[in-house]
Amino acid sequence: EAGVVQSPRYKIIEKKQPVAFWCNPISGHNTLYWYLQNLGQGPELLIRYENEEAVDDSQLPKDRFSAERLKGVDSTLKIQPAELGDSAVYLCASSLAIFGELFFGEGSRLTVL
Amino acid sequence: DAKTTQPNSMESNEEEPVHLPCNHSTISGTDYIHWYRQLPSQGPEYVIHGLTSNVNNRMASLAIAEDRKSSTLILHRATLRDAAVYYCILRDTNDYKLSFGAGTTVTVRA
Repeated sequence: EAGVVQSPRYKIIEKKQPVAFWCNPISGHNTLYWYLQNLGQGPELLIRYENEEAVDDSQLPKDRFSAERLKGVDSTLKIQPAELGDSAVYLCASSLAIFGELFFGEGSRLTVL
Repeated sequence: DAKTTQPNSMESNEEEPVHLPCNHSTISGTDYIHWYRQLPSQGPEYVIHGLTSNVNNRMASLAIAEDRKSSTLILHRATLRDAAVYYCILRDTNDYKLSFGAGTTVTVRA
């Protein structure tokens, strides 16, 4: 069974440029998460989806970050414009049920110059 | 959110047991204790979880104190592949949020 797939694995951009990350969860998983992980720290939740509905986006910086999960399957996380402090790993995870085990992708590492 | 306290790092020798402590003195009755680990350059992966009773699976054992204010993750025979950051997390059944702390970095010596 395929795991959570994320792309790109690595992205280098200049500040003020836009960037987008894509996530394809495990088939049948209704719950999808986006986390941000800074170097040396644990992941921090940005947004959680139940099917196509964002049920917890309280930690998403909405002035520059946006996310969507059309049709309740794959999801895109966008940053526009990127800032130097956005350099981090962006992790996507999915779970079969709301209280189920989370399965994480390998992450997308962003470097903003 | 209820918080957990873990040591920053621990070292172990290969094929020896590893006991990873976690303190959660403010745990509530609706909090489950979850453990995840993160190998280098990978996303976190689930290890084990429990509520009150000790739990065992193929990866590890979880020993929970009777008052639930602390727990210990036990890796029975550490291998080099077990070198990772281990996160102890309280997950509330009311909001299902999984909030990671800094975790414990485990180093395994050959």
